[in-house]
Amino acid sequence: DSGVTQTPKHLITATGQRVTLRCSPRSGDLSVYWYQQSLDQGLQFLIQYYNGEERAKGNILERFSAQQFPDLHSELNLSSLELGDSALYFCASSGRTSGHYNEQFFGPGTRLTVL
Amino acid sequence: GENVEQHPSTLSVQEGDSAVIKCTYSDSASNYFPWYKQELGKGPQLIIDIRSNVGEKKDQRIAVTLNKTAKHFSLHITETQPEDSAVYFCAASSTGGSYIPTFGRGTSLIVHP
Repeated sequence: DSGVTQTPKHLITATGQRVTLRCSPRSGDLSVYWYQQSLDQGLQFLIQYYNGEERAKGNILERFSAQQFPDLHSELNLSSLELGDSALYFCASSGRTSGHYNEQFFGPGTRLTVL
Repeated sequence: GENVEQHPSTLSVQEGDSAVIKCTYSDSASNYFPWYKQELGKGPQLIIDIRSNVGEKKDQRIAVTLNKTAKHFSLHITETQPEDSAVYFCAASSTGGSYIPTFGRGTSLIVHP
């Protein structure tokens, strides 16, 4: 158990809809990262938040947005969903370990299916 | 940006054999190389990592080697067991910026009993 929790575990919805995925980082971790994992694209970085502020952006679509709240949990919002958005979405956290290298600890993921 | 290539995409071995997964990276600024194991239905879990000031690191049956000159690093698993069956990902990142790792495409390791 990595200490990172994600809800829901599974989500089935229709095209055009909007969903919210939730992540709680490990206790004490300030950074949260969101990744999308699909069969053909591998593990793709979407966005990072650090202590409530956006820190880095990757291949995140404009239809997607995220935020990190004062209690450090984070939400990823996906809107105007398309069939191609079906994937596993992972949250990872880091920041508690010492040194210059931020080891990332992944949650169990949310499997999104868009029908 | 960084580009990480990982080979092979699938690796099938007999229990007790060794398994080697290789990765290359493109950005000479990368200096942190973690390896993750992802079991079916679970998120990736860090199993070992190596920093650029170290050439090799071991943890029981797992070892990682790094060749900075050639820009490649490898994961070695000895005495494989069926529970080693999983997808393994390599990654590379640098201490500059946000430490965002670039992942390889993954290797599906199958250990036959």
